[in-house]
Amino acid sequence: AQTVTQSQPEMSVQEAETVTLSCTYDTSESDYYLFWYKQPPSRQMILVIRQEAYKQQNATENRFSVNFQKAAKSFSLKISDSQLGDAAMYFCAYRRTGTASKLTFGTGTRLQVTL
Amino acid sequence: GAVVSQHPSRVICKSGTSVKIECRSLDFQATTMFWYRQFPKQSLMLMATSNEGSKATYEQGVEKDKFLINHASLTLSTLTVTSAHPEDSSFYICSVRGDSKETQYFGPGTRLLVL
Repeated sequence: AQTVTQSQPEMSVQEAETVTLSCTYDTSESDYYLFWYKQPPSRQMILVIRQEAYKQQNATENRFSVNFQKAAKSFSLKISDSQLGDAAMYFCAYRRTGTASKLTFGTGTRLQVTL
Repeated sequence: GAVVSQHPSRVICKSGTSVKIECRSLDFQATTMFWYRQFPKQSLMLMATSNEGSKATYEQGVEKDKFLINHASLTLSTLTVTSAHPEDSSFYICSVRGDSKETQYFGPGTRLLVL
């Protein structure tokens, strides 16, 4: 079974600084998707970034970028120029390809942004 | 992407009553919808996969007769919590795969409190 591990229950970053959230996963599949979702206090799950395993290039969305290391099964999220609105729970998620596949979530990392 | 709505956003009910939660895909037809449950400070737990025109697929440990799922149209899935008890109090979130079938998008969630 696939598992997703987020080893940092909480992280803190100062406004305008950079922070990296860690995520590792376990799978025997070669083709899959990886996601980072953000859950602010409103509890609405928001997609932050997506990575296809067959792509070697790391995904980037504005201030958010990932470091995808397929051999190491690592998928970290870097947030640059942190803003107060970035404060939220961040969930790493895995899904293998195929219409019947399901999302597997990590336990989440709570990010605090301080002034 | 995909826009997903849920109704109601929060509901309080008495123990023993049934509660229906609606999930709507607003901007495209979803043959598959997913229902999750989230306890405070925890990750999302998949309860069931809702398939349009057929029976839902429930995850291990989820009572089918307790959590009734109906997916009668391509834009609407409902979750009915039957004979609710205080331990059913939780945050329920629905999700759909976007038209690209790769990424899941989430509704805003429904907070259920059973007294």
